[in-house]
Amino acid sequence: GAVVSQHPSWVICKSGTSVKIECRSLDFQATTMFWYRQFPKQSLMLMATSNEGSKATYEQGVEKDKFLINHASLTLSTLTVTSAHPEDSSFYICSAPTQGAGDTQYFGPGTRLTVL
Amino acid sequence: AQSVAQPEDQVNVAEGNPLTVKCTYSVSGNPYLFWYVQYPNRGLQFLLKYITGDNLVKGSYGFEAEFNKSQTSFHLKKPSALVSDSALYFCAVIRGSSNTGKLIFGQGTTLQVKP
Repeated sequence: GAVVSQHPSWVICKSGTSVKIECRSLDFQATTMFWYRQFPKQSLMLMATSNEGSKATYEQGVEKDKFLINHASLTLSTLTVTSAHPEDSSFYICSAPTQGAGDTQYFGPGTRLTVL
Repeated sequence: AQSVAQPEDQVNVAEGNPLTVKCTYSVSGNPYLFWYVQYPNRGLQFLLKYITGDNLVKGSYGFEAEFNKSQTSFHLKKPSALVSDSALYFCAVIRGSSNTGKLIFGQGTTLQVKP
């Protein structure tokens, strides 16, 4: 299967700081990537759709000024959590479909964010 | 509204026995159905999908799933469970005509396989 990587795998930061998480498709190009948030023992909540060359599309209730998404190239999308607070602590996972928006999505290994 | 239901929070099975993890869906139009597995503190791994064609889909690690249109179900099965199959399993759906690619996930089912 296709490979999607995320960096860092875990990060601890202080309240008020910003944290950038990278999502890369290693062996395919992705015009679309998705960002999810997952709380312990719960399902994935879609935060936004990252689109190469255009603005991200955010799901209802997700603050776009808080969670900045940039799809810099066909293999890289970044999620920046700005002015992080303890309630932003979570497991963040990205995914990318190999061919188009309706194809199989491959997921990154996730990033554990802890805000102190 | 589109939705996916996994009615069991946890499924317990003895090693070597067959396992079933249930999934039902509600979507307008033709569904694209997926099963993913998640190990602790990891991302999701793709197991199998149904798009069209044969209702019985075979996937990774000996798993299979059967698409049942009349019952709107897509249950995950394996003839003989392994302890290493213990993990969190997610069923997901995309509406076939959707061009957004947004996956709708069920709430997840924890599979516990005991030796």
